[in-house]
Formats: sequence, structure tokens, C-alpha cells
Amino acid sequence: AQSVTQLGSHVSVSEGALVLLRCNYSSSVPPYLFWYVQYPNQGLQLLLKYTSAATLVKGINGFEAEFKKSETSFHLTKPSAHMSDAAEYFCAVSKSGNTGKLIFGQGTTLQVKP
Amino acid sequence: DADVTQTPRNRITKTGKRIMLECSQTKGHDRMYWYRQDPGLGLRLIYYSFDVKDINKGEISDGYSVSRQAQAKFSLSLESAIPNQTALYFCATSDLQGPLETQYFGPGTRLLVL
Repeated sequence: AQSVTQLGSHVSVSEGALVLLRCNYSSSVPPYLFWYVQYPNQGLQLLLKYTSAATLVKGINGFEAEFKKSETSFHLTKPSAHMSDAAEYFCAVSKSGNTGKLIFGQGTTLQVKP
Repeated sequence: DADVTQTPRNRITKTGKRIMLECSQTKGHDRMYWYRQDPGLGLRLIYYSFDVKDINKGEISDGYSVSRQAQAKFSLSLESAIPNQTALYFCATSDLQGPLETQYFGPGTRLLVL
């Protein structure tokens, strides 16, 4: 069975500091991996997704994530946090192929301090 | 206009009442999903539909039912609401893009069961 674990339910950084949100997955087959962001009172928006074409994936708003098979990780990073990055972030995994079923992590709330 | 809309956005109901949450999409996608979000648990899949004649149970379907009235409409019903169904409910749609699909989320319905 597939699963996703996000380490840290809350992360706090200062504006301009590095953002690192951790995601580890478990999958018996090659996974497809996603990061979604949820701004307050809004639905989820796709940040980026791992397609197996490249291990370093660039997404919107300056975020990127690196797929590391040896570490079963897909951590999300951004070099310099902005106040507008404050939101909840979800890592998700799906089976290869067009199954359409996403398994979400518990979510990490990012707080950005002035 | 939003591509995925949900009505109502907020709802308060009493234990034992039947309620329906509605989802409409203008994206022309065949696949639609219902999730619930609970703090610390991420999103969990309730039901999903790959086309009008296809309905599938997700991870937590007990106490819920769905209806796919048309390609663009997918409704979630709580036959007899109970307090532990208090949650944030999201509808999502998806397309197929090569080996992967991307899910697009509505703004959510916040449900409180008293």
C-alpha cells in the first residue's frame, strides 16, 4: 500500500529564509508525487508534480522539489520565503498509471514571520 | 468564473438530517472526486467517478452516498448526518495528461453537524 508522511505539522520561518517542507513516501511501485498548497479559505492548488522525467521538479511561485529514490523522499524547498507563502502544504502520492487515486499526507502549515 | 464550484460553501445541520453537497465543473473533465479534510489527517477520499456511469467507493465511504447526474455534476449526500462528519469537504476533477493526471479542486464546503 502507498502512504505519505509529512514531517512536522507546523513549520515557522522568517521572511527571506529557506523553506524546507519534508515528505517521505512508501510505495511498492514507482510513485507519482505531488505537492499541493492550500491558502486560507481556498481549495488546493497544484504546486508541482514528479513525472519521472527529472528528479528535480520546478513548480510555481519559486518552489521546487527533489525526488530521491534512495531516501524515499520528495522534499519541497524555496530559497527565500515570502509572507504570501503562508499556507498549508500537502504532499500526495498516486500509483503509476491512470488510477486517479491520490493519497495525501497530513499537511504542513507554513508560518512566515516578518 | 471558477472552474470547479461547490455549494453551499458553509452549512450547519443537526444530527440525523439528510444533506446534499453539490459540485459542478466547467472543465469538461470526466473524472470527479469527493474528499474530506480533517485537521491533522490531510485529505481522505470518499467517492470517485471516472464517468457518468461509473461510481467507486474511496477510503471512507461509510455514511455517504453520491450521484453523478451529468458529466459536470457530482453530488455528495449524507443520509443521516452525525457529528463526526463535521469537516471540510472538497470536490475535485481531473484530466489525463500523458501518464499522469492533475486534480483540480473546488473551494470547499465547511460542514458542521450539531
